[in-house]
Amino acid sequence: DQQVKQNSPSLSVQEGRISILNCDYTNSMFDYFLWYKKYPAEGPTFLISISSIKDKNEDGRFTVFLNKSAKHLSLHIVPSQPGDSAVYFCAAAPPQGSGDKLTFGTGTRLAVRP
Amino acid sequence: GAVVSQHPSRVICKSGTSVKIECRSLDFQATTMFWYRQFPKQSLMLMATSNEGSKATYEQGVEKDKFLINHASLTLSTLTVTSAHPEDSSFYICSASRTTSRQFFGPGTRLTVL
Repeated sequence: DQQVKQNSPSLSVQEGRISILNCDYTNSMFDYFLWYKKYPAEGPTFLISISSIKDKNEDGRFTVFLNKSAKHLSLHIVPSQPGDSAVYFCAAAPPQGSGDKLTFGTGTRLAVRP
Repeated sequence: GAVVSQHPSRVICKSGTSVKIECRSLDFQATTMFWYRQFPKQSLMLMATSNEGSKATYEQGVEKDKFLINHASLTLSTLTVTSAHPEDSSFYICSASRTTSRQFFGPGTRLTVL
């Protein structure tokens, strides 16, 4: 049972345009969400997070939007750069004190074309 | 930022041998360490959670006698794959966290069992 889903396995975007990566979850107990970027044969690196009390969090070129009623979050990258080409995972966590276990989506491979 | 290292980064072994992977938090004390494995083009799957000085908690379907986890100190956790077989070939990633949901990931270890 995949509790965190990224339905687009891949996405190709022109440099300078916006990249939008989507993530859906089914467990309403999740209250903290994170996006990770991963290059091949490397561990994931943290990108940006959002708490369920917010609907938007912005950090430079990266913005994460959360729609709790739809159990949907998205990561916007603008402008996209070739160095952003990687696999992006969304992850969800239960409330603190529940074990800190992250549940990952299956990832979306982003390719930014020069 | 917090740095997590893994050693070795890559290991090739014969079927039936045991392999030990180390995970170290270099600049912080990790109250909890996590072990994940990732098959090609799939999500990171949590294998087990370990707290310093106590037994690891394994996820459903993960054989604790096959994947031995030791968390001897606040900066070191080890995963030993015992009697490895080709189906154990995978990318193993550890992460470490303090008291928040932020996990810092190691670079991963590529295990190939011949």
